[in-house]
Amino acid sequence: GAVVSQHPSWVICKSGTSVKIECRSLDFQATTMFWYRQFPKQSLMLMATSNEGSKATYEQGVEKDKFLINHASLTLSTLTVTSAHPEDSSFYICSASAGLGHYGYTFGSGTRLTVV
Amino acid sequence: SQQGEEDPQALSIQEGENATMNCSYKTSINNLQWYRQNSGRGLVHLILIRSNEREKHSGRLRVTLDTSKKSSSLLITASRAADTASYFCATGSVRGSRLTFGEGTQLTVNP
Repeated sequence: GAVVSQHPSWVICKSGTSVKIECRSLDFQATTMFWYRQFPKQSLMLMATSNEGSKATYEQGVEKDKFLINHASLTLSTLTVTSAHPEDSSFYICSASAGLGHYGYTFGSGTRLTVV
Repeated sequence: SQQGEEDPQALSIQEGENATMNCSYKTSINNLQWYRQNSGRGLVHLILIRSNEREKHSGRLRVTLDTSKKSSSLLITASRAADTASYFCATGSVRGSRLTFGEGTQLTVNP
């Protein structure tokens, strides 16, 4: 089945530093990947849609200069949280569609970011 | 913003009982999907039902869709302790487009 690998699974960083999260589709090509943010006991909030070879589309209220998304290949999308602050602490999850004929989405295992 | 609403927000049952979760949405959809999330983990796709379908089964899962009421239900039969997780519905418009998630139901199955 379609697998999306997300790394790291957890990270602790100091305020003001940047953190990069990687999302790889292992056995399929993902033209589009989605990045979500999830607060404890809440639902997933779409942050941005990452398109291979073009600029990401950000949801309203999401700072594109703070959450940098790069989708340089059909199997890799990265989310960089720049100048992280404690309020950026959250659970970040990526997902991708497995492609033709498949409407379900495959999700990464998520990254727990803690900014101290 | 989330367009889906799920109820109940939390459900606690005994092993062997059935669990029913409901989801409502607001706009027209192409499909509705249900996902499961174990605490601190990513989401696992459970089942997809298209807008022209009314019911779908997969193992112990049964999903219904009522487009006139813009609602769906997920039934888990003969629940097990391992079914304890959060369950989310998500609506999609066309293939490959963004999903909009409901608020989720936290299911606890007590052994």
